Amino acid sequence: QQQVRQSPQSLTVWEGETAILNCSYEDSTFNYFPWYQQFPGEGPALLISISSVSDKKEDGRFTIFFNKREKKLSLHITDSQPGDSATYFCAAPTGGYKVVFGSGTRLLVSP
Amino acid sequence: GGIITQTPKFLIGQEGQKLTLKCQQNFNHDTMYWYRQDSGKGLRLIYYSITENDLQKGDLSEGYDASREKKSSFSLTVTSAQKNEMAVFLCASSINWGDEQYFGPGTRLTVL
Repeated sequence: QQQVRQSPQSLTVWEGETAILNCSYEDSTFNYFPWYQQFPGEGPALLISISSVSDKKEDGRFTIFFNKREKKLSLHITDSQPGDSATYFCAAPTGGYKVVFGSGTRLLVSP
Repeated sequence: GGIITQTPKFLIGQEGQKLTLKCQQNFNHDTMYWYRQDSGKGLRLIYYSITENDLQKGDLSEGYDASREKKSSFSLTVTSAQKNEMAVFLCASSINWGDEQYFGPGTRLTVL
């Protein structure tokens, strides 16, 4: 049962554009959402995270918007660069050992 | 800073073969994890270990064994390799369970 869903599966934007990656979840007990960035041949690395008490978290060109009522999040990457080309995972720790990962969005930024 | 090392980077085995993947971390983290990553899918938890000598099954433990030899190392064994389990296996660690996880580069398994 998939509890964290991501869309689109893949996304292509031009350099300088804003990329928008979406995430939705089902379990209302989720209260913390890390986003991981994974480059080919590497493991995922934590990019940015947000707590459910916030509706926005910004770190440089990366911003998470969180709508708790609709159980939706989005990651906005402004002024996208070719070096941002990677797969992005939305995740949700379940309060114990388990972190539920979405299936990822593969982003390609064309120069 | 620290690093997670996974060996080997590429592993090729025969169907039915027993295969072992190794992971080492120098973060001095208590908790370690093994995930399987299939193409186009998210990460699925195979085993985790909260502390040295602890071992817990994840969602995908059938067909796998694990061993936490010491705090810094965590091994995963594919007990009988199958062609449908070709994937990338990722090791991760965290200070405690629920904390940020740091991932290794992965071992890509191919079964002939």
